[in-house]
Amino acid sequence: AQSVTQLGSHVSVSEGALVLLRCNYSSSVPPYLFWYVQYPNQGLQLLLKYTSAATLVKGINGFEAEFKKSETSFHLTKPSAHMSDAAEYFCALPQKLVFGTGTRLLVSP
Amino acid sequence: EAGVAQSPRYKIIEKRQSVAFWCNPISGHATLYWYQQILGQGPKLLIQFQNNGVVDDSQLPKDRFSAERLKGVDSTLKIQPAKLEDSAVYLCASSLAPDPTYNEQFFGPGTRLTVL
Repeated sequence: AQSVTQLGSHVSVSEGALVLLRCNYSSSVPPYLFWYVQYPNQGLQLLLKYTSAATLVKGINGFEAEFKKSETSFHLTKPSAHMSDAAEYFCALPQKLVFGTGTRLLVSP
Repeated sequence: EAGVAQSPRYKIIEKRQSVAFWCNPISGHATLYWYQQILGQGPKLLIQFQNNGVVDDSQLPKDRFSAERLKGVDSTLKIQPAKLEDSAVYLCASSLAPDPTYNEQFFGPGTRLTVL
């Protein structure tokens, strides 16, 4: 079965620090992988997507993710966290409309 | 361009009562999705429509949940009767075409349902 696993339900960083949100996948076919962001009381918004072209994908708001087949991972990173990045982030397998359980990012001043 | 609209935003009911949620997708979007998002979990697909036809309803608890999109535009999701475990946020999303890999889904703000 195809699935995604997000390690860590909560990640806390200080403003200006590196953000790293982890996502590992399991798929019997070459996967496409998306990251979504959900701000409080809002719907999900597409952050970036991997569709088998470049393995390093850049998204909105300075986020990027790298697809690593050998590690079955698609971790989300941002070099310097901003207070406005505080939200919940979901990794997803769009082919099966499967979402991870989410990671809440907390940013402290 | 207006986004996906959902109403109501919040609903509190007692178990065994009925409830309905409404979704108006982005104009021109043929594909509409309903998801259930339980606290602490990711969204789970309940049903996918293409125009007014059902593409996938394999995870819809059909004994109590129903959904329709009669004119291929807006949609209604109903729960009858509600159970405590139905407490969740119900998200509606729409896209131009059915393949979610190539057609971005746009999500509404959701309806938060609390069943007491």
